Amino acid sequence: GAGVSQSPSNKVTEKGKDVELRCDPISGHTALYWYRQRLGQGLEFLIYFQGNSAPDKSGLPSDRFSAERTGESVSTLTIQRTQQEDSAVYLCASSLATASNQPQHFGDGTRLSIL
Amino acid sequence: LAKTTQPISMDSYEGQEVNITCSHNNIATNDYITWYQQFPSQGPRFIIQGYKTKVTNEVASLFIPADRKSSTLSLPRVSLSDTAVYYCLVDVSGAGSYQLTFGKGTKLSVIP
Repeated sequence: GAGVSQSPSNKVTEKGKDVELRCDPISGHTALYWYRQRLGQGLEFLIYFQGNSAPDKSGLPSDRFSAERTGESVSTLTIQRTQQEDSAVYLCASSLATASNQPQHFGDGTRLSIL
Repeated sequence: LAKTTQPISMDSYEGQEVNITCSHNNIATNDYITWYQQFPSQGPRFIIQGYKTKVTNEVASLFIPADRKSSTLSLPRVSLSDTAVYYCLVDVSGAGSYQLTFGKGTKLSVIP
């Protein structure tokens, strides 16, 4: 079946612009996660959704970052007034539930470059 | 928050067994340990998961000691295509918080 899909795969934008990244999870997966991965670095957890709710937003790097999920399906990560340090690959994953024994299925990410 | 610690890199020759250990001293009672593999320009891919003792599937084995403060991913007879970054993941749940802690990953290089 279809895996996790992220769009766009690449995004280049100027500093100060807003960007919106999209994630389409696997159908039926109630949990959805966003991560950031800087070049050559590990995965930095940003936020997760259980259904359409994000119980803990403390992982978001600043108030310029926001995320939402609708219909227990698609999610968007929005970065306002982008800065050069926002350049990274943004990865989305989904799982059947947030239980520890439910593996995450990842998309291939959106590579964001801020000029 | 609990953190995981892994070696930054490892080298191995083709055909050898590779063992990568992850430390997770503050693992909670209900947490599972999950390992992922990541190739360049791709998202991580699930390899194996376990709670205690030993788990084996078609690609790897996972060894977890009784205290569960560490885990070892074992890749039998590696090939060049196993060159990748390997991450261990332990769920970290605190009061009012839920954060997923990936280790920094171990870059495995398989040498012909």
